[in-house]
Amino acid sequence: RKEVEQDPGPFNVPEGATVAFNCTYSNSASQSFFWYRQDCRKEPKLLMSVYSSGNEDGRFTAQLNRASQYISLLIRDSKLSDSATYLCVVIEAAGNKLTFGGGTRVLVKP
Amino acid sequence: NAGVTQTPKFQVLKTGQSMTLQCAQDMNHEYMSWYRQDPGMGLRLIHYSVGAGITDQGEVPNGYNVSRSTTEDFPLRLLSAAPSQTSVYFCASTPTGRGEQYFGPGTRLTVT
Repeated sequence: RKEVEQDPGPFNVPEGATVAFNCTYSNSASQSFFWYRQDCRKEPKLLMSVYSSGNEDGRFTAQLNRASQYISLLIRDSKLSDSATYLCVVIEAAGNKLTFGGGTRVLVKP
Repeated sequence: NAGVTQTPKFQVLKTGQSMTLQCAQDMNHEYMSWYRQDPGMGLRLIHYSVGAGITDQGEVPNGYNVSRSTTEDFPLRLLSAAPSQTSVYFCASTPTGRGEQYFGPGTRLTVT
């Protein structure tokens, strides 16, 4: 089993709709969680950190479920410009080991 | 600030050739890392450095060497290129090991 797993998608989303997807992690000692966005043939860029209590940034909401060991990202009122691959990143408490998921591709269509 | 820069952007090598991928950052970050990204595999850590003069292996270090003589530069050397090293290579830096990673634009390497 991979340490960090994501549904590769693609998630085909009508413009204006809501889409949500998860990232599961296997190490219960993981401490820090992030979502990155990667556009086609570009470098990943930080979208948002994921806090224990959940957090919002505009149309984006990130949640952490420690009991079931997953984080989620929800995008409301999807825009065409939200089309990208979303990578989750999990950092272990000890040794600062950082692991990327394989990414979830989202395609927002008119 | 230029952020993280990488050269070259594209490279084609023949099997057995060697080359160095350059990475530089002007943000005075202590931590720097090299990743490779293959379809469906996410980013995998090759080598990383927690400061000048200190390097360590990541998940997939075989076939690659690194050095960190200055805070700014972190070159990645391919010793004897193999087709399995065909990939997109990203360099990243971060002020600490646990926060936001700042990525360079990547180098697309093809080994024939």
